[in-house]
Amino acid sequence: EVVLTQSPATLSLSPGDRATLTCRASQSVSNYLAWYQLKPGQAPRLLIYNASNRATGIPARFSGSGSGTDFSLTISSLEPEDFAMYYCQQRGNWWTFGQGTKVEIK
Amino acid sequence: EVQLVQSGAEVRKPGESLKISCKAFGFTFTNYYIAWVRQMPGKGLEWMGIIYPGDSSARYSPSFQGQVTFSADKSITTAYLQWISLKASDTAMYFCASPAGYSDGWPDLWGQGTLITVSS
Repeated sequence: EVVLTQSPATLSLSPGDRATLTCRASQSVSNYLAWYQLKPGQAPRLLIYNASNRATGIPARFSGSGSGTDFSLTISSLEPEDFAMYYCQQRGNWWTFGQGTKVEIK
Repeated sequence: EVQLVQSGAEVRKPGESLKISCKAFGFTFTNYYIAWVRQMPGKGLEWMGIIYPGDSSARYSPSFQGQVTFSADKSITTAYLQWISLKASDTAMYFCASPAGYSDGWPDLWGQGTLITVSS
């Protein structure tokens, strides 16, 4: 099973700050990595797929990069609605999620 | 409108059986897999597995193999997640999801979730 390790566990930032979240895979997953946003009481929202492609309707402040085992999600300037949990997911070898990063208001 | 609509919250006792549903609207049900995802209280997302409604073939993540059963009824564009004997540890929110959008096979369409509470 591919294990995804996300860091940091919690990111404390202010609106307008830049956020960089990382996801490391235990083995190469090529570019088969996605990022989701999850807010309490809501369904997950696909943000980025295939490492760097924004899903339909996702604002340009969200960007993804990486390949192989190291990936990152960047939010260029945090909006109030961006404070949430973020999960990476791979499908290079079956499907697994990372344990999540919480982006909280500082 | 393209959407997945899940059945409502359920409360059951340990040992009871349960089947929850996920109904698809607005897209060709048999063209895309339906995935099931668990979120236990205060925990992260877990991929349970997928079913292909076209032929009802299913694959389960190792942790869920033998614990749950996926099924689908093409005639009513509905997928199901079933337990034969619930445990307290099955208490969680369950989401269905499908890649019915334009995201190269990644699940970009999600149901609203079904909360299952198992308690004596």
